[in-house]
Amino acid sequence: AQSVTQPDIHITVSEGASLELRCNYSYGATPYLFWYVQSPGQGLQLLLKYFSGDTLVQGIKGFEAEFKRSQSSFNLRKPSVHWSDAAEYFCAVGPWTGYSSASKIIFGSGTRLSIRP
Amino acid sequence: DAGVTQSPTHLIKTRGQQVTLRCSPKSGHDTVSWYQQALGQGPQFIFQYYEEEERQRGNFPDRFSGHQFPNYSSELNVNALLLGDSALYLCASSLLQGTGELFFGEGSRLTVL
Repeated sequence: AQSVTQPDIHITVSEGASLELRCNYSYGATPYLFWYVQSPGQGLQLLLKYFSGDTLVQGIKGFEAEFKRSQSSFNLRKPSVHWSDAAEYFCAVGPWTGYSSASKIIFGSGTRLSIRP
Repeated sequence: DAGVTQSPTHLIKTRGQQVTLRCSPKSGHDTVSWYQQALGQGPQFIFQYYEEEERQRGNFPDRFSGHQFPNYSSELNVNALLLGDSALYLCASSLLQGTGELFFGEGSRLTVL
């Protein structure tokens, strides 16, 4: 069965501290992995994506994520968080067919990030 | 370049009623996916439309139906509303022959009383 697990429901970090949000997936085929961010009352914005190549991918807003196939993980990191990073973060997985993956994408339940001043 | 637009932004219905939500995809996109996001949950895939046909469907009852028009815009219809249908409904557009990235609208917040 295809699934995405984000084990941390809510994380609070101090402004300027480093951040790591965990994501584990279960997927039968080669996965296409995403991290999205959702601010209150807003839609989802793509932070970064991975489907092949270098397992460390860079995204917008200073975020990066590392794909570890052996651990079925795709954790999101940021070296120094800003108050504006407070939001809900979603990890997602979809099928990678090699040329098109506009298909069913499955989301995790999200991790809410709060920033301590 | 307009992004994904959804209407209405908020609406209130009563149990048993029917609702139609609308979505205009990002310019140049040909595929529309609909997601339901209950409070405190991640988005759940409802279905996806391409070339005016439903390509894939998630685990939602037949009360949920959709349509895609020749201009790629889409509608989500929900019949016989239940209290549990209260959620944020998100539309996402993408290119079938693309990188798979979904571009989301800001959603339609449905409250069923």
